[in-house]
Amino acid sequence: DVKVTQSSRYLVKRTGEKVFLECVQDMDHENMFWYRQDPGLGLRLIYFSYDVKMKEKGDIPEGYSVSREKKERFSLILESASTNQTSMYLCASTNREGGELFFGEGSRLTVL
Amino acid sequence: LAKTTQPISMDSYEGQEVNITCSHNNIATNDYITWYQQFPSQGPRFIIQGYKTKVTNEVASLFIPADRKSSTLSLPRVSLSDTAVYYCLVGEHYGGSQGNLIFGKGTKLSVKP
Repeated sequence: DVKVTQSSRYLVKRTGEKVFLECVQDMDHENMFWYRQDPGLGLRLIYFSYDVKMKEKGDIPEGYSVSREKKERFSLILESASTNQTSMYLCASTNREGGELFFGEGSRLTVL
Repeated sequence: LAKTTQPISMDSYEGQEVNITCSHNNIATNDYITWYQQFPSQGPRFIIQGYKTKVTNEVASLFIPADRKSSTLSLPRVSLSDTAVYYCLVGEHYGGSQGNLIFGKGTKLSVKP
């Protein structure tokens, strides 16, 4: 069974903390994505990566960075968390031929 | 990048056919159209994908007119378990370096008994 695993389902952090959200896929996919989802706004793309050590900005990269040191792992980093980054974060992957995006179950982050 | 527009919400009754239309006026030649379903507290999951004309699988049909500026997801005989948010996604088939995959705001479908 193919899988995208996000390290934490729920996190609570304080303003100014550094936050790491980890995502691992076991499908040997080249492309990985980080989205955030907020009520009424749908899914918005933060960053994506099409290869190890490669990254591209999505629609809303401000306040975030990413790391792709290994093919199976794509990390989202909030250098200094702020309350407006309280959201559901979704990781996804797809192979180089495109087609279906596979999503993780999401990480709900609350910044106090 | 192709932006998509969908109705915010739709209501239906069990057993009815539901059609959700997505508008994507600036779709590019290499773009595919993909639909996803999302239940609360879960990640979206793939329903169907197409490039032109009609595609059908075991759960839905996708109708794409010749100009490709819109697409319609058709769910036959919906049940209560089809209550979910449905997203239309337009983007490069190769979701990698040639472009990124942008979702719209989705359509919240409510199926009533």
